Amino acid sequence: DTGVSQDPRHKITKRGQNVTFRCDPISEHNRLYWYRQTLGQGPEFLTYFQNEAQLEKSRLLSDRFSAERPKGSFSTLEIQRTEQGDSAMYLCASSSGQGRPNQPQHFGDGTRLSIL
Amino acid sequence: EDQVTQSPEALRLQEGESSSLNCSYTVSGLRGLFWYRQDPGKGPEFLFTLYSAGEEKEKERLKATLTKKESFLHITAPKPEDSATYLCAVQAVGGGSQGNLIFGKGTKLSVKP
Repeated sequence: DTGVSQDPRHKITKRGQNVTFRCDPISEHNRLYWYRQTLGQGPEFLTYFQNEAQLEKSRLLSDRFSAERPKGSFSTLEIQRTEQGDSAMYLCASSSGQGRPNQPQHFGDGTRLSIL
Repeated sequence: EDQVTQSPEALRLQEGESSSLNCSYTVSGLRGLFWYRQDPGKGPEFLFTLYSAGEEKEKERLKATLTKKESFLHITAPKPEDSATYLCAVQAVGGGSQGNLIFGKGTKLSVKP
């Protein structure tokens, strides 16, 4: 059973550097979500893809953040010019677009980003 | 504004001591309410979806219920392996939402043997 896979699991970088994370969703899922979670908080929505189209972006997603999902398969999330406040766990989730729109989202184990 | 509040923030139980976690929500319209379990350093693991008031779902020692304003996660005779953070999330209707989840801060459950 292949769930949602995220890479890398941990990333440590200096302030001002660019970082890129990858997410491989469950293969038959056409919906893909990115969330950010800080300590003691629930995940916060960042952006959403249906197939290759990015359909929604949160106001949390500043212009330093960009996400792509070429060919509607894996997705990447890039953060440019990282800041201390970007330190968090970045979670990816996927769900099926079949049937009801409120199919459960299944999460990966995240990429933990630490900014020095 | 759509909002989810969970209580208590932390709960300590003895093994076998049953209890309930609360999730209160305010949304313009509810598409679904979701419960997740999260272990340290891991992503949330899906437990239940509830769609309408009066609905109930069960899985082993867990039972989730839903009313028009809140949901409860009942834990019967918990074991130490039930220790985790339990997250509640809602999916709201309208506002251009494409299904993103709005999470509460979670309840951290510790079960002592």
